[in-house]
Amino acid sequence: KAGVTQTPRYLIKTRGQQVTLSCSPISGHRSVSWYQQTPGQGLQFLFEYFSETQRNKGNFPGRFSGRQFSNSRSEMNVSTLELGDSALYLCASSLHPSGGRVTDTQYFGPGTRLTVL
Amino acid sequence: GESVGLHLPTLSVQEGDNSIINCAYSNSASDYFIWYKQESGKGPQFIIDIRSNMDKRQGQRVTVLLNKTVKHLSLQIAATQPGDSAVYFCAENIDNQGGKLIFGQGTELSVKP
Repeated sequence: KAGVTQTPRYLIKTRGQQVTLSCSPISGHRSVSWYQQTPGQGLQFLFEYFSETQRNKGNFPGRFSGRQFSNSRSEMNVSTLELGDSALYLCASSLHPSGGRVTDTQYFGPGTRLTVL
Repeated sequence: GESVGLHLPTLSVQEGDNSIINCAYSNSASDYFIWYKQESGKGPQFIIDIRSNMDKRQGQRVTVLLNKTVKHLSLQIAATQPGDSAVYFCAENIDNQGGKLIFGQGTELSVKP
């Protein structure tokens, strides 16, 4: 079974531009989460989607947004890019979020390396 | 605030020795814990997880121990190999926060041949 795939793998943008990153989850997985990884802040949660609905959101400004499609593929968008947005953006998928007390294992993709100049 | 921290940022071991990577968490409501391994240029790779109703779980060459009393998590790697060299992250989850994982800062494991 193929793993989580992310495109593009590398991206260079300039300040003020906007960017869209794509994530395809493992087949059959319905939940997708996004994380930002930087040397200074480590891995930080951005948001989580399930059944095309945002289920959870981290502490990031409104410039960061996302969506999920009916086939569970997800995109995230960053508008008005800032230098500090340079990071590795990671997508993780899980089978489904339980409404109860059990969380499913999240499997990560290779990430998209975004550089903002 | 909530946080997951690691005691040691770097760990160097001899090939064949056992490795122990530690992690402290601060939120007593956390009920699911995961260890990930991240190699350079790659995304985090799932190693092993444990739920709060357990205090020990074993996988292939790895064991995770959970001490809820002192809010401590550890990853033990038996017979450490050069391929184990990577950064290891612990992460915690609180079920009423959905799939949100809170990650520690990571420990870099270096295995000397």
